[in-house]
Amino acid sequence: EAQVTQNPRYLITVTGKKLTVTCSQNMNHEYMSWYRQDPGLGLRQIYYSMNVEVTDKGDVPEGYKVSRKEKRNFPLILESPSPNQTSLYFCASSSGSREQFFGPGTRLTVL
Amino acid sequence: GQQVMQIPQYQHVQEGEDFTTYCNSSTTLSNIQWYKQRPGGHPVFLIQLVKSGEVKKQKRLTFQFGEAKKNSSLHITATQTTDVGTYFCAGSYGGATNKLIFGTGTLLAVQP
Repeated sequence: EAQVTQNPRYLITVTGKKLTVTCSQNMNHEYMSWYRQDPGLGLRQIYYSMNVEVTDKGDVPEGYKVSRKEKRNFPLILESPSPNQTSLYFCASSSGSREQFFGPGTRLTVL
Repeated sequence: GQQVMQIPQYQHVQEGEDFTTYCNSSTTLSNIQWYKQRPGGHPVFLIQLVKSGEVKKQKRLTFQFGEAKKNSSLHITATQTTDVGTYFCAGSYGGATNKLIFGTGTLLAVQP
């Protein structure tokens, strides 16, 4: 089954404790992206990747890192999480400029 | 930077009534996509519009792309409770065709 998976689905952590949210897709898509969703603000892009080893900042990259060492994986790293990074995070993948397939989401709470 | 404005933020309708959400960009879009997110779910692709003035239909849903490729609309005829959710438009600009700018979404509530 074609899908995008994210782990963990839910995470409660404390300020400053490094964390990684994993994202994996099995559709051989070149393009992957991370978004955060906050009430009233819609989906805002954090980082995106056009292919392996090619990443670029989205609209809200501060406080986040990404890497794309393999085509299928695109982890999101928060080196020192802060409460303003409490949000719902979605990973997405696509082929070319076609539809984006979204993962199930990761709800992160930073205390 | 580029922005996609979407209105209304929230719409409450009686089942059977029609519903429309609008998206507007200050600059010309390459294409526009529409997504639906059910409560507690993730965004799911509905459609992509590419051509100026394009109109596409999916059962009770009608999607339009403006002549100037700066605005778009989604119209639902005779809403049903299964239409409940947040509808997002997402536009792409120029050469960065994979970079989508999402609208803020319209939350549709349907009362049976």
